[in-house]
Amino acid sequence: ILNVEQSPQSLHVQEGDSTNFTCSFPSSNFYALHWYRWETAKSPEALFVMTLNGDEKKKGRISATLNTKEGYSYLYIKGSQPEDSATYLCAFAAAGNKLTFGGGTRVLVKP
Amino acid sequence: DGGITQSPKYLFRKEGQNVTLSCEQNLNHDAMYWYRQDPGQGLRLIYYSQIVNDFQKGDIAEGYSVSREKKESFPLTVTSAQKNPTAFYLCASTARGRGDIRNQPQHFGDGTRLSIL
Repeated sequence: ILNVEQSPQSLHVQEGDSTNFTCSFPSSNFYALHWYRWETAKSPEALFVMTLNGDEKKKGRISATLNTKEGYSYLYIKGSQPEDSATYLCAFAAAGNKLTFGGGTRVLVKP
Repeated sequence: DGGITQSPKYLFRKEGQNVTLSCEQNLNHDAMYWYRQDPGQGLRLIYYSQIVNDFQKGDIAEGYSVSREKKESFPLTVTSAQKNPTAFYLCASTARGRGDIRNQPQHFGDGTRLSIL
């Protein structure tokens, strides 16, 4: 079973502040790295799928970077808003048509 | 609207009983997946299927069984052999797209929460 780690497990952010958190994954046999947002009482929603080293993706105030050589991805939230409160999951794709998920980073934005 | 429907939302199982969780999608997706989430943990893959009449074990398949008789449907049976079935179960699907299925985002249902009576 592949080891995909997310840190921190949870964080509190003041509204308007920016924040970032990490997903670490094996640096060998990389194929793709996914990010999902999972709001309470909803289903997980895809944010990004990243495949190339150095990839940067952006969706509104949320962006992500990818370093496949060292095995990490950062997710950034700029100017956090209460609606950004959610659990953010990363998932690593290597051999086989399946994803291995990290444990998630739970973000709480305080007004 | 296209999407994934999981039912029921809540399910209770008695000791020694098999129960089946339903997952239906109308997205015309090729691949379907079952995940389990336990408190404080990420999603763990139980089974997945890339085409009709074919499926593969995930990381925690013991005590579970699946079938894929139709493209739209991928039911999961939690058997009495699964000693700790209390968890939240999520179904997902992915389109094959033009390339590898691994670079396509997964679409998720709302989940089924299973508890032991």
